[in-house]
Amino acid sequence: SQQGEEDPQALSIQEGENATMNCSYKTSINNLQWYRQNSGRGLVHLILIRSNEREKHSGRLRVTLDTSKKSSSLLITASRAADTASYFCATRRSLGAQKLVFGQGTRLTINP
Amino acid sequence: NAGVTQTPKFQVLKTGQSMTLQCAQDMNHNSMYWYRQDPGMGLRLIYYSASEGTTDKGEVPNGYNVSRLNKREFSLRLESAAPSQTSVYFCASSEQLAGPDTQYFGPGTRLTVL
Repeated sequence: SQQGEEDPQALSIQEGENATMNCSYKTSINNLQWYRQNSGRGLVHLILIRSNEREKHSGRLRVTLDTSKKSSSLLITASRAADTASYFCATRRSLGAQKLVFGQGTRLTINP
Repeated sequence: NAGVTQTPKFQVLKTGQSMTLQCAQDMNHNSMYWYRQDPGMGLRLIYYSASEGTTDKGEVPNGYNVSRLNKREFSLRLESAAPSQTSVYFCASSEQLAGPDTQYFGPGTRLTVL
């Protein structure tokens, strides 16, 4: 069963525009992480936000977390062609939880 | 640092054949994981090893076995491959089981079962 559900499933924008992806989850969490996967490659960790945090920044990335709505968003500003990839959210349910649970991902295409 | 390495990169099997996927990490991480990724889907956990000497089932363990050979290596074995096991397999590692726990992924093994 997938804990995280990303929305939209696919997103295509022009280079320079901002891209926003959303993730919803079902149970309470300890933290939520976002990963990027380039075509044919493994996943790469982007950013982690804890359940007691509401917003976090890393370079051109901005992540928000609304635990009351059980949702998170990932914003990529000033997109570049190199941002073309799939983006996955993953949740850890508690400190004692044994694993991350991944969503199905958003496929982002940046058009030059 | 090579990070997480996986072998082989590609493999084609016939139904009923067996094989072992190898994974090694050089980051001195305690925990290691095996996932499968099917088209259009996220990752599903097959097995994980919280620490050397322990293994536990994940979401989709049927048809697989694992061995945590030492702290560095975690192998995944398919005893009798089936077409439903056609997938891309990823190994990952993390420093600790509890806490923030960022995972580091290998490049994947693309397996086709005919």
